[in-house]
Amino acid sequence: QVQLQESGPGLVKPSQTLSLTCTVSGGSISSGSYYWSWIRQPAGKGLEWIGRIYTSGSTNYNPSLKSRVTISVDTSKNQFSLKLSSVTAADTAVYYCARDNYYDSSGVYLDAFDIWGQGTMVTVSS
Amino acid sequence: SSELTQDPAVSVALGQTVRITCQGDSLRSYYASWYQQKPGQAPVLVIYGKNNRPSGIPDRFSGSSSGNTASLTITGAQAEDEADYYCNSRDSSGNHLRVFGGGTKLTVL
Repeated sequence: QVQLQESGPGLVKPSQTLSLTCTVSGGSISSGSYYWSWIRQPAGKGLEWIGRIYTSGSTNYNPSLKSRVTISVDTSKNQFSLKLSSVTAADTAVYYCARDNYYDSSGVYLDAFDIWGQGTMVTVSS
Repeated sequence: SSELTQDPAVSVALGQTVRITCQGDSLRSYYASWYQQKPGQAPVLVIYGKNNRPSGIPDRFSGSSSGNTASLTITGAQAEDEADYYCNSRDSSGNHLRVFGGGTKLTVL
């Protein structure tokens, strides 16, 4: 059973860079036709998709965050990472990593986030 | 602003049927997926594709789509279904970007 676990600093100073890592366990990050996404949720608010990466390194980013976001993958460590630069208090949120899957185990079109990490809280404050 | 629009809150009497909707231009071309989120927990996928449930999701959850509107229906709502529900699909540009609806808070009375 594939599981995802986010890790990284819980506190980041304004104007600095937020860095998080998602570790994939129970399976290879390179197996299957999966994208790997980052999603965030400010307290009391809705979900916001940040971006995603394919194991080839191909990325897609939310246009509203694109200028500040970099997502990378390290297949040797079975991890993918998020960097968000020039953070402000508005970036304070729970950050989730998720598997972005196009087909389920039966080959049925899925096109959804089928596995999520538990989330990690990041606060931007001096 | 979200390209997918959901009603902020919906309520349903215990055991009754409730429909949660999601509107957006991209839904004319792409299916929505639906997620249930309970307080303090990560979202869980409940419906994907035309009308498919992941293993472990009760069959009282179903999905449908018509025009620019996708719907999540809970037939015989239970107390444990009280949660926030989010739809997700591709954005209207079709460039493999993802977008979430604003979420619907479901209250089971």
